[in-house]
Amino acid sequence: SAVISQKPSRDICQRGTSLTIQCQVDSQVTMMFWYRQQPGQSLTLIATANQGSEATYESGFVIDKFPISRPNLTFSTLTVSNMSPEDSSIYLCSVGIGLGGDTQYFGPGTRLTVL
Amino acid sequence: ILNVEQSPQSLHVQEGDSTNFTCSFPSSNFYALHWYRWETAKSPEALFVMTLNGDEKKKGRISATLNTKEGYSYLYIKGSQPEDSATYLCAFKGNQGGKLIFGQGTELSVKP
Repeated sequence: SAVISQKPSRDICQRGTSLTIQCQVDSQVTMMFWYRQQPGQSLTLIATANQGSEATYESGFVIDKFPISRPNLTFSTLTVSNMSPEDSSIYLCSVGIGLGGDTQYFGPGTRLTVL
Repeated sequence: ILNVEQSPQSLHVQEGDSTNFTCSFPSSNFYALHWYRWETAKSPEALFVMTLNGDEKKKGRISATLNTKEGYSYLYIKGSQPEDSATYLCAFKGNQGGKLIFGQGTELSVKP
């Protein structure tokens, strides 16, 4: 298993600003992911955070809007840039453990409100 | 586009009632079906990972079944308790190492 913490747990931000969310895991993991859940929507994968190389983004998500860092195997950050009210969501980091990352553990999430 | 649908969207039951929810997913290219329980302000907690058609898994009062040929899974809660109140998410995986595709969840509220 893995214990994951995220900071901040929640924030209220002004339009046009940026917020960086931190994710810390209690053990070294290869596969780390960032998700978001917009109000009334499904949890959606934003990107896979790769250690030592650029993140792999899903369709509809771009690096300029959601830059991701992964400096080592226990830590990652996601920045939500130039925020608008549509970015109000819960952002979660997740790690995949086991063969093919088949078992995923999630952090508690960061609840973001953009005014 | 792969669709994972959950129903109902929300459910209100009395303590002691038994209940069930449905998750429907693509019946082709199936690898695994995950169930999670997500309480407010907490991490989503993995309940089951199901891979074989006809699988039935149980964890205390919660159990799940899987039909990969017709593309659905049921989650059952026997004798619901207030602490069962949470959002229950299912997620479909089409291949090993592939991404999880989540349904919108079923929000369960159990009244004492």
